[in-house]
Amino acid sequence: AQSVTQLDSQVPVFEEAPVELRCNYSSSVSVYLFWYVQYPNQGLQLLLKYLSGSTLVKGINGFEAEFNKSQTSFHLRKPSVHISDTAEYFCAVSETGGGNKLTFGTGTQLKVEL
Amino acid sequence: KAGVTQTPRYLIKTRGQQVTLSCSPISGHRSVSWYQQTPGQGLQFLFEYFSETQRNKGNFPGRFSGRQFSNSRSEMNVSTLELGDSALYLCASSLRAGGLTADTQYFGPGTRLTVL
Repeated sequence: AQSVTQLDSQVPVFEEAPVELRCNYSSSVSVYLFWYVQYPNQGLQLLLKYLSGSTLVKGINGFEAEFNKSQTSFHLRKPSVHISDTAEYFCAVSETGGGNKLTFGTGTQLKVEL
Repeated sequence: KAGVTQTPRYLIKTRGQQVTLSCSPISGHRSVSWYQQTPGQGLQFLFEYFSETQRNKGNFPGRFSGRQFSNSRSEMNVSTLELGDSALYLCASSLRAGGLTADTQYFGPGTRLTVL
């Protein structure tokens, strides 16, 4: 069975600074990887996804992530954060042949400070 | 195009009661999945429906059930509610059923269920 680890439960960062949110996964088969963002009292919004092809994936709101198969990682990065990026970020994995079932990490709370 | 809608948005029930939550997927989407989100367990997959058939099921007791209608709308039901069922229940829709390739899922705002 697959699993997802987000080591950082909270990441504080100053506005306009770069940020990296870490995600590692474990699976015995090929996977598809996703990052979602959740604002307070809202559902999940897809930031970006990796299905195949280029390992560097660009998403919405200036976020990008890099798939590293040897490290089994899919870290999320943004070169300059804005106060509006304050939210909880979830990394998720779906296995080949596993349907649309997503397995989520425990989430990282990003807090952007002035 | 309208997004995924879930009703009701908030619900308060007492232990032992049952509850039905509704989800309307994005127009044209035929797959609906349900997730439970709690502070302790995080986001957990409940089940996935496609063309009125359950395609996948998570590790939840039989008190949790669902169904999908011919118009792709889905409902989930929880019987004999327990305090631990208090959670945000999220519905997600996608165009296709996941197979060898996962399809992108779009989430609704959720239904906040409180069990007293």
